[in-house]
Amino acid sequence: AQSVAQPEDQVNVAEGNPLTVKCTYSVSGNPYLFWYVQYPNRGLQFLLKYITGDNLVKGSYGFEAEFNKSQTSFHLKKPSALVSDSALYFCAVRDISSGSARQLTFGSGTQLTVLP
Amino acid sequence: DSGVTQTPKHLITATGQRVTLRCSPRSGDLSVYWYQQSLDQGLQFLIQYYNGEERAKGNILERFSAQQFPDLHSELNLSSLELGDSALYFCASSVATSWDEQFFGPGTRLTVL
Repeated sequence: AQSVAQPEDQVNVAEGNPLTVKCTYSVSGNPYLFWYVQYPNRGLQFLLKYITGDNLVKGSYGFEAEFNKSQTSFHLKKPSALVSDSALYFCAVRDISSGSARQLTFGSGTQLTVLP
Repeated sequence: DSGVTQTPKHLITATGQRVTLRCSPRSGDLSVYWYQQSLDQGLQFLIQYYNGEERAKGNILERFSAQQFPDLHSELNLSSLELGDSALYFCASSVATSWDEQFFGPGTRLTVL
């Protein structure tokens, strides 16, 4: 079985400060990991993904994420937050080794608020 | 704009009724996924089709069914609707492989009264 946890429902950060949105996962094999963002009344937008290779993945809008196999984590980061980054962020995982390989499991989401 | 279209945007209906939600994937995408998003359940995977065939099934109720047509558009049918079916229903599409990112449509907001 595959699962993903986002331990923080809400993250608040001041504009210009670095931000981190946490994600941990559980799979029996190797993971494909994704981050998506959802703005109010919109569908999810893809930010970045980890498939293999370099543990630091760079994505859209200045976001990056670090894959840590020993800690089974894939935290989303940005060096300098913008007010426009305020949105709901979802981490997702797919276990490439299981029969559910085609199914993406999403975390519960983290509401990021960037304060001006 | 993701390139995935969904109709209708909003749907209000009564308990016991049946509705059909429609999704057109991005040009060239062969896989279509359906998700349900609600406050209490979060984002739940329902079902996936690949090039017209069912590929994976998630937490989809027996009252719900879907299909993907030869032109690759997909429909999600919800029947015997209950109050608890009120939610946002998203369609997503991807090229083919399991590591491809999914592109989400704007969603259909279903309200069951």
